[in-house]
Amino acid sequence: GAVVSQHPSRVICKSGTSVKIECRSLDFQATTMFWYRQFPKQSLMLMATSNEGSKATYEQGVEKDKFLINHASLTLSTLTVTSAHPEDSSFYICSARVRSDRGPYGYTFGSGTRLTVV
Amino acid sequence: AQKVTQAQTEISVVEKEDVTLDCVYETRDTTYYLFWYKQPPSGELVFLIRRNSFDEQNEISGRYSWNFQKSTSSFNFTITASQVVDSAVYFCALSEAGGGKLIFGQGTELSVKP
Repeated sequence: GAVVSQHPSRVICKSGTSVKIECRSLDFQATTMFWYRQFPKQSLMLMATSNEGSKATYEQGVEKDKFLINHASLTLSTLTVTSAHPEDSSFYICSARVRSDRGPYGYTFGSGTRLTVV
Repeated sequence: AQKVTQAQTEISVVEKEDVTLDCVYETRDTTYYLFWYKQPPSGELVFLIRRNSFDEQNEISGRYSWNFQKSTSSFNFTITASQVVDSAVYFCALSEAGGGKLIFGQGTELSVKP
C-alpha cells in the first residue's frame, strides 16, 4: 500500500534555529501533500496544502514565511519551521492524497514529527 | 463550510463494555467522504474506515461497526466488547469528493480499563 515516510520522528532545537521535516512517498507519486499540526490534547489542524511544482496554499492564520513548504518532486515534500520558538513546539504530520484502485481518494499519513523548541 | 463535531471529549469504560463514539458533520457538498482514524499514544494515525455519501449501508469489521445516517448527518462508531488495546484517541474526518483536505473532529479519547 501507499506509504509515506516522515523524518525525523523527534527533534529538539534551540529557539531561533530552523528545522526541516521531510515526507517521502515510498511507492507512489504524491501530487498533493497536506501538512497538519497537532498540539497536545487537540485535533489535527491543517496548515497548508502543497501540490507538486507549485506554491503551497496556506490556511488562514498560518504564517507562510515561517512555515516554508517545498514540494519540488512527486516523492518529496518538506516543511521548514524557520526561526522556531517554543510556541512552535508541536506534533507535525504530513498526509498524501492517494487514489485507490476503486477510484475514490484516500489519505495516507506520515508517522509524525514531535518538535520541541527550547 | 465543512465541520465535524465529536461532542465526547473523553470516554472511560471497563473492558468488555460496548462503547459508541459519536460524530456529526456539516457540509454543503452532495458528494463527500467520511473517515474514522485511531491515534494511539505513538501518534501515528491508523485508518479505520472510509465511507462515501452515497453508501449508507452500515459496516461491521470484527468488533468495530459504523452507523452512517445521512438524515441526521451522523457517522457513529461502535466498539463491541472493548479491550485495553482500544485505548486511543479516535478522530472522525470529512473530505470533499474531489480529494480535498480532510477536516477533523476534535477527537474522542477512549480509555478502556481492565
